[in-house]
Amino acid sequence: AIQMTQSPSSLSASVGDRVTITCRASQGIRNDLGWYQQKPGKAPKLLIYGASSLQSGVPSRFSGSGSGTDFTLTISSLQPEDFATYYCLQDYIYPRTFGQGTKVEIK
Amino acid sequence: EVQLLESGGGLVQPGGSLRLSCAASGFTFSSYAMSWVRQAPGKGLEWVSAISGSGGSTYYADSVKGRFTISRDNSKNTLYLQMNRLRAEDTAVYYCAKIEQWRGTHYYYYGLDVWGQGTTVTVSS
Repeated sequence: AIQMTQSPSSLSASVGDRVTITCRASQGIRNDLGWYQQKPGKAPKLLIYGASSLQSGVPSRFSGSGSGTDFTLTISSLQPEDFATYYCLQDYIYPRTFGQGTKVEIK
Repeated sequence: EVQLLESGGGLVQPGGSLRLSCAASGFTFSSYAMSWVRQAPGKGLEWVSAISGSGGSTYYADSVKGRFTISRDNSKNTLYLQMNRLRAEDTAVYYCAKIEQWRGTHYYYYGLDVWGQGTTVTVSS
């Protein structure tokens, strides 16, 4: 199965900061990658699909980039409601695999 | 409103069985592939299984292959996960999710765009 490695596993940031999370695949996955946000006790929410396409209703401060093995999720100006855990998911091949998650905490 | 509602979770002994259900509403259920994802206490998300819209194709994580069976009844708009030979490490919140598909330049993109609220499975003696 394809391994997805996210970094960092956690980070502390302030409101207004620019935040970048990376995800690396153990083999090329074209741009078949999604990003999800999860808040405690809640179901995950799709933010980005196809590595860079913004899901409907998601604020434009979220963006994704990358192709092949290296991908990035960027939050251009962190808002209070963005403190959460973020996961990447490869949609290239079954079995699908998630990254281990990145927890974004308040500094 | 598009909605998914899981049920069937509970406490089961190691080696036991449980069947989860996911009732779908607000969309044409048979037109969409569906997936199960789980999350062990304090851990990250783990993809478990997926099934095509017709039910003709199924996929599993290595950790559950041979023990879990995904299925669907399109006449009832319901997705299922039959879990046999349960282990302590299967303890988790189980989510069902709808797989959306978008046409890209050369191929389709996929994503889990609608999720249920989750149902808790606890495997313990």
